[in-house]
Amino acid sequence: DQQVKQNSPSLSVQEGRISILNCDYTNSMFDYFLWYKKYPAEGPTFLISISSIKDKNEDGRFTVFLNKSAKHLSLHIVPSQPGDSAVYFCAASARNQGGKLIFGQGTELSVKP
Amino acid sequence: DARVTQTPRHKVTEMGQEVTMRCQPILGHNTVFWYRQTMMQGLELLAYFRNRAPLDDSGMPKDRFSAEMPDATLATLKIQPSEPRDSAVYFCASGLQGFTEAFFGQGTRLTVV
Repeated sequence: DQQVKQNSPSLSVQEGRISILNCDYTNSMFDYFLWYKKYPAEGPTFLISISSIKDKNEDGRFTVFLNKSAKHLSLHIVPSQPGDSAVYFCAASARNQGGKLIFGQGTELSVKP
Repeated sequence: DARVTQTPRHKVTEMGQEVTMRCQPILGHNTVFWYRQTMMQGLELLAYFRNRAPLDDSGMPKDRFSAEMPDATLATLKIQPSEPRDSAVYFCASGLQGFTEAFFGQGTRLTVV
């Protein structure tokens, strides 16, 4: 039972354009959502997060949008840079239920010069 | 520079052998996660601990996997006996209860031949 789903295994965009990575979840108890970035042969690193009391959080070129009614979140990267090429994981947690952190399958982003 | 340390980084073993992977969480973190990265499941949660007590290990095959925290500075994941299908990258992550993010180690790449 995949509670967090990233349905696009890969995404390719041109440098300077917007990258949009999507994530869907099924558990309505999730109240905290995170995006992680992973380079080959390294562990995932935290990128940005959002609490369920918000619908948007922005940090520089990265913005996360949360649509609770649709159980959907997205990560926008603008402008995209070649160094953004990595695998992006969406994660969710129900902090009042122990804080177990559940990840999606990941989306591999390729930003072409 | 606080970080999660995993050893070994790489392990090749023969089917049927015992494998032990170790993790040193960030000092002061009281929550430890074990994940396995696979192509189909992404980052699959195997087990997690809070204050050294197991909170959830439902993601682990119980007949061959075991996870423990002998003390606050060491978490271990054992596979006995190992099988070729266990070949994957295993990640440890740590955080604080009510955390805003979990910090990952660099992973142990396990190959069972």
